[in-house]
Amino acid sequence: ETGVTQTPRHLVMGMTNKKSLKCEQHLGHNAMYWYKQSAKKPLELMFVYSLEERVENNSVPSRFSPECPNSSHLFLHLHTLQPEDSALYLCASSQDPGNRAGELFFGEGSRLTVL
Amino acid sequence: AQKVTQAQTEISVVEKEDVTLDCVYETRDTTYYLFWYKQPPSGELVFLIRRNSFDEQNEISGRYSWNFQKSTSSFNFTITASQVVDSAVYFCALSMNRDDKIIFGKGTRLHILP
Repeated sequence: ETGVTQTPRHLVMGMTNKKSLKCEQHLGHNAMYWYKQSAKKPLELMFVYSLEERVENNSVPSRFSPECPNSSHLFLHLHTLQPEDSALYLCASSQDPGNRAGELFFGEGSRLTVL
Repeated sequence: AQKVTQAQTEISVVEKEDVTLDCVYETRDTTYYLFWYKQPPSGELVFLIRRNSFDEQNEISGRYSWNFQKSTSSFNFTITASQVVDSAVYFCALSMNRDDKIIFGKGTRLHILP
């Protein structure tokens, strides 16, 4: 079992559905992240939470809504998505809120397909 | 602007050959960090190495070695005597000291053929 667990591993949804991605880290880290990995783009940082407070939102559309109820759990709520939102969504955690020097620990990702 | 370029999209080599993955970065900051991550088929990115901008010493870890050259803004990664298990996508990344962002390159998909 990895230190960062993501569920579900695969998700297929229609454009009118509402679903959520879940991430849990068992490493005692203070910061958690959502990244989007699509076929033709570099890894894109979506959200950063440090000590359960959002510190970064890279102009992500409002159809993506993050939630961080505690330092071990991170959710990404999805609603009225578009087909171009189909991608691998990776959760990561790090020891320090400022991850500039620290390594990220990633989950295996949730593969999302929007029909 | 900050940027990481991995010009090699995909590389295939035969097992036991050496292979070098290129990474070129751009930043005007004097303090920054460079990383390499490996993404196997299972999906999760695995941290391989971190190097800060003031440490230009090359590093060797088993079959892996890294060559950091500030003069050419490059941080190349060499796998010696490659193995099939090395097949993965490898990402180079850059982080500045002044903020919390890590900028990833597009990755290089490495195929090690038996």
